[in-house]
Amino acid sequence: DSGVTQTPKHLITATGQRVTLRCSPRSGDLSVYWYQQSLDQGLQFLIQYYNGEERAKGNILERFSAQQFPDLHSELNLSSLELGDSALYFCASSVAAPLGSTDTQYFGPGTRLTVL
Amino acid sequence: DAKTTQPTSMDCAEGRAANLPCNHSTISGNEYVYWYRQIHSQGPQYIIHGLKNNETNEMASLIITEDRKSSTLILPHATLRDTAVYYCIVPPTSGSRLTFGEGTQLTVNP
Repeated sequence: DSGVTQTPKHLITATGQRVTLRCSPRSGDLSVYWYQQSLDQGLQFLIQYYNGEERAKGNILERFSAQQFPDLHSELNLSSLELGDSALYFCASSVAAPLGSTDTQYFGPGTRLTVL
Repeated sequence: DAKTTQPTSMDCAEGRAANLPCNHSTISGNEYVYWYRQIHSQGPQYIIHGLKNNETNEMASLIITEDRKSSTLILPHATLRDTAVYYCIVPPTSGSRLTFGEGTQLTVNP
């Protein structure tokens, strides 16, 4: 158990819909990261938040957005869903060392999204 | 990001040591080597990381060559539960994003 929690575990929805994935980081961690894992793309970094502020952006579609709240939990919002958005979505958290040093990320169990 | 190269797959007998190699010849002097594993669609699990010296924890040992261009993850007594995809990653010091490659599929056989 990494200490990172994600809800829901599974989500089944239809094309065109909007869903929200939730992540609670480990106690004391200030940074939250979102990753997507689809069959044909592997694990890909989407976005990072640090203490409520966006810090880094990866291959995140414009239809997707995220935020980190004052209690440090984060939500990933996926809208206008397409079949290709079906994937595993993982959240990770880290203490968030200063830029230029290393920082270990711990991953949650993921949310499996199926778009029909 | 420093590029890493790993074998696509490896097999290991249960109870034997599993040695997983990784090449990272473009690694910079202050970049760390991280190892994660993913067991069948579960969340990636942190295993170990190191900079220059060899490291050991309760899960594994990490051996980094003196020139830092390659490393080996050692699972001293592999079990069936160690069957997973193992990722060797060198994150940039300018940010913490992890770039996952294809990794090595380790299969531990009874």
